[in-house]
Amino acid sequence: GAVVSQHPSWVICKSGTSVKIECRSLDFQATTMFWYRQFPKQSLMLMATSNEGSKATYEQGVEKDKFLINHASLTLSTLTVTSAHPEDSSFYICSAPNHRTGELFFGEGSRLTVL
Amino acid sequence: AQSVTQLGSHVSVSEGALVLLRCNYSSSVPPYLFWYVQYPNQGLQLLLKYTTGATLVKGINGFEAEFKKSETSFHLTKPSAHMSDAAEYFCAVRPLKGAQKLVFGQGTRLTINP
Repeated sequence: GAVVSQHPSWVICKSGTSVKIECRSLDFQATTMFWYRQFPKQSLMLMATSNEGSKATYEQGVEKDKFLINHASLTLSTLTVTSAHPEDSSFYICSAPNHRTGELFFGEGSRLTVL
Repeated sequence: AQSVTQLGSHVSVSEGALVLLRCNYSSSVPPYLFWYVQYPNQGLQLLLKYTTGATLVKGINGFEAEFKKSETSFHLTKPSAHMSDAAEYFCAVRPLKGAQKLVFGQGTRLTINP
């Protein structure tokens, strides 16, 4: 079964609303998690690194106030798309490294559609 | 900075034929290299990875890849394609001693013809 879980898998929202996506590591602790964005038929682009107990590290060009990241515990990171607009519609994927084993696990992804 | 180039955004082969998906990388330090598969509306599943040691790496579902430092390549192969192999494939790289951030190639969509 999945060791990194994302919720929700699908979300449709109206323009101007905020949407929260959760990423959970199910059987290991993750001090860091990574958030990626994938446009249709394109590759994954790293948005930010989520750090437990401290601020997230954003990649160049990613708006911090637009994509709020909170790493509240060693097993949960959340990505909140604030005041979503249609151009924010995308597939968002998180990943979490198991530092004990060195393996990197990906979530199932969350498809956001903003109307 | 690391980068990954996948030659061919779309590859089509017949069932039973050889699958070859190309990946070239650039890295200032010895990299870790990965191949992932993605089925529609799903996350990524690790096929195989190269870290150190043997340059020919075997993965799941009959796939394998060979790290060729002289060619900065990490091409993915499978001797005989199966219909279930139809998916999007991503090559990725990360620095040997870096964080576990991955840089992905553009992806190659593999289509299997009956």
